[in-house]
This record gives sequence, structure tokens and C-alpha cells, in this order.
Amino acid sequence: NAGVTQTPKFQVLKTGQSMTLQCAQDMNHEYMSWYRQDPGMGLRLIHYSVGAGITDQGEVPNGYNVSRSTTEDFPLRLLLAAPSQTSVYFCASSKSRTGVYNEQFFGPGTRLTVL
Amino acid sequence: RKEVEQDPGPFNVPEGATVAFNCTYSNSASQSFFWYRQDCRKEPKLLMSVYSSGNEDGRFTAQLNRASQYISLLIRDSKLSDSATYLCVVNYPGGFKTIFGAGTRLFVKA
Repeated sequence: NAGVTQTPKFQVLKTGQSMTLQCAQDMNHEYMSWYRQDPGMGLRLIHYSVGAGITDQGEVPNGYNVSRSTTEDFPLRLLLAAPSQTSVYFCASSKSRTGVYNEQFFGPGTRLTVL
Repeated sequence: RKEVEQDPGPFNVPEGATVAFNCTYSNSASQSFFWYRQDCRKEPKLLMSVYSSGNEDGRFTAQLNRASQYISLLIRDSKLSDSATYLCVVNYPGGFKTIFGAGTRLFVKA
């Protein structure tokens, strides 16, 4: 049981490039989400999904796309990378959105630098 | 005003000390509350949920005050291994939106 896995661990992009951050979970969790973490700020929700085929925007969705074709995978796509997207990205999953005390399990993160 | 606010610290305490963190939230309809722990350059991990009646897990005690819209975390008999950043987390109604505080850094010294 690997939990939540993310690849790559580190990435350097040039402005204007695009890339996909991969996230997978093997816990059969319904709910998955992407956050970014910047110094001095809390984790901010980018996009989330409540099940295969269903996604929605979080707090800071601009510049990012997601899709959820399977329960296990939830990739995050950066369309045209900008220096403002330099951050640490965390993927998380939880058993369900419902239920008041659902624990979120996080992947190890991807450290992205956009030059 | 931030939706979830925490004192960033750092809190520097000796081993064996008792330390308390507070967190305030702005949405009175917030549904559930948590404390997560994040070690340096690692992912956040759940420390404990916060129940309305307050709850304890070993050396850790969490309290919720809905009237004043704050939650607290008390750590007794601090250990070196408690050194980390503690994140206050609030779920909005419906469970879709989770707001993280920026975290409070704790350093426990020998």
C-alpha cells in the first residue's frame, strides 16, 4: 500500500513551457485534491475531484487544468508555466468528502521552479 | 483578514515545557477542524481532529470554541521530536473546501 504518490519530486521549467504533475493513490479514495504551498502562506486549494469524471475549481485554479479519468489518478497540468507558479505542490486524497472528520492523506510533494 | 489565522512563531521551548497554539477562523459555519503536523520539507500529516467537546491524545489536547471561533492545541511535556510546523485546518460546510492556516513553527531545545 503506497498511499499517495507524486512524480516528479523536483522540476525546473522555463517560462511558457507546459508539464503535467502526476498523482496516484491506491486507497480507493473518492476525494482527491491539489494544493500549492508558498512560504508564509498556508496550503491553497487549486482543484479537487469528488470522483472519477468530476472535478471542480478551488481557491487558485488559474493556469492549471485537471482531469480524473480513474479513481486512482489525478494529474495536474500547467498550461503555460509562469514564475508565479514556482511552489511546492501537494496532492491529497481522502475517503470521501462527506463525513465531518475525514483525514486527508498527502503525497510527498513536487518542488517546481519556473525560471 | 485571512480565513484561518495562526501565530507564525517560532515558539522556542525547552524539553518538558508545555506550549499552546491558537488559531482563529472567520467563517462561523465552518464544519470541522483539525491540527496537522508538517516536518521540514515533508508533507502534512494529521495530528488530530478537534471535537466540539475537546479531545486529548496522549500529550496533545485540542479545544474548540465556536462562540469565539478559535481552536487551540496544547502540547505537554514537549519532546525534541515535537519540533515541526503545526497547521490549523478548517473545513467549510459540504466538506469541499478546506482552508489551511500558514502554520506555527515549534522548536523544542534540549
